[in-house]
This record gives sequence, C-alpha cells and structure tokens, in this order.
Amino acid sequence: AQKVTQAQTEISVVEKEDVTLDCVYETRDTTYYLFWYKQPPSGELVFLIRRNSFDEQNEISGRYSWNFQKSTSSFNFTITASQVVDSAVYFCALSGNTGGFKTIFGAGTRLFVKA
Amino acid sequence: DAGVIQSPRHEVTEMGQEVTLRCKPISGHDYLFWYRQTMMRGLELLIYFNNNVPIDDSGMPEDRFSAKMPNASFSTLKIQPSEPRDSAVYFCASSLWSGGAEQYFGPGTRLTVT
Repeated sequence: AQKVTQAQTEISVVEKEDVTLDCVYETRDTTYYLFWYKQPPSGELVFLIRRNSFDEQNEISGRYSWNFQKSTSSFNFTITASQVVDSAVYFCALSGNTGGFKTIFGAGTRLFVKA
Repeated sequence: DAGVIQSPRHEVTEMGQEVTLRCKPISGHDYLFWYRQTMMRGLELLIYFNNNVPIDDSGMPEDRFSAKMPNASFSTLKIQPSEPRDSAVYFCASSLWSGGAEQYFGPGTRLTVT
C-alpha cells in the first residue's frame, strides 16, 4: 500500500524565518513520483514540484528547496526567508506504478507566516 | 492559456436534490481527475478518465455518484440524490499524461447540502 505522512498539522513562523515541511512516504514501487502542491486561501491547488524515484538530486527554486532522500523515504520542503504570501496549506503527494499511478495526497501542513 | 474551469463555484442545495458539477480541462490534456476535499478525509480521488474513458472509479463513494466525459473538453460529476454528508469542495484536475505528470487543478466547487 502507498501512504504519505505529513506529521506537521500546522506550523506558525514569523516572516523571514526559514521553515521545513516534512513528508514521509511509503511505497513498494521502484518507479514512483513525488509532488508538492500549495493550496493558498483562495482554495485552488497549485503544483510546485515533481521528482521521480530515480533522481535524488535536491532542487532549489528561488526561496524554495526540496530534499529527497530515498534512504529515509522523505521528501522535505524548505522555504527560506518566509513571507506572508507563503501562508497556505502544502500537500505532499505520491504516485506509483503499482497503484496505476493514482496520486495519493498527504493530509497537508497548514503554514501560517506572521508579519 | 485558460486553466481548468469548473462551474458552479458554489452550490447550495437541499437533501434529495440532484447536483451536477461541471469541468472543462486544459486543452490537450489527456487525463481528467475528480477529487473531493473535506476536513475529515482530506483530498480523495473519486474517478479519473483517460481520453474520455473512465479508468478507475474505485473512489466513487456510492451509486449516488456518477461521472461522465462525453468529449475531451467537458466532464460532469453528478450526485443524485444528494445528502448532507456530500458537502465538500469538489476539484477537477487535468494532466498531460498519467500519474507521473503534474496535475492542474480547477478552482473547485463548494457544495453545501442542507
């Protein structure tokens, strides 16, 4: 069975702090994909990043960075110098070949960034 | 380019009534997904289509729910009869290819069944 765990339900930080959102996944697939999506207060989910299981290279995009470690089955997301506009719910997701590549979402982490 | 379009954005109906939610995917996307989001259950996949054909409807909660995709640019999710426990936000999403591709979500339809 596939599973995505986001243990942090809510995180509150002050603007300019760095924050890391944790994501732990379970899968027996050898081929799988991991995603992060952002759901701002407006409600629409926005795609942030996709990684495949064969590429553990970390990625940086502006203030966002992702750390993929197969050894610990984790795909963590760090926001550097957080801003109020980063306030949102962030979802980690997994899709693998055994599940027909259906996407399984974690429960989400609600991030509050205070000015 | 237009994103995924959903209508209506909000729907309030009484228990027992039929509800139809509509979705227009991004042009050229071969996959269309319907999700339901609630506080209790999070984001759940209800059904998805590939080239207008339903591939997996195992997430559809019961026979009161049905979905169709008559052509590449239109899909509906119907609930008949509706019940208060169906109250949720329903999202439609589309992607270029299967699970390994990112999905683009519509703004959602907030359904309230009284």
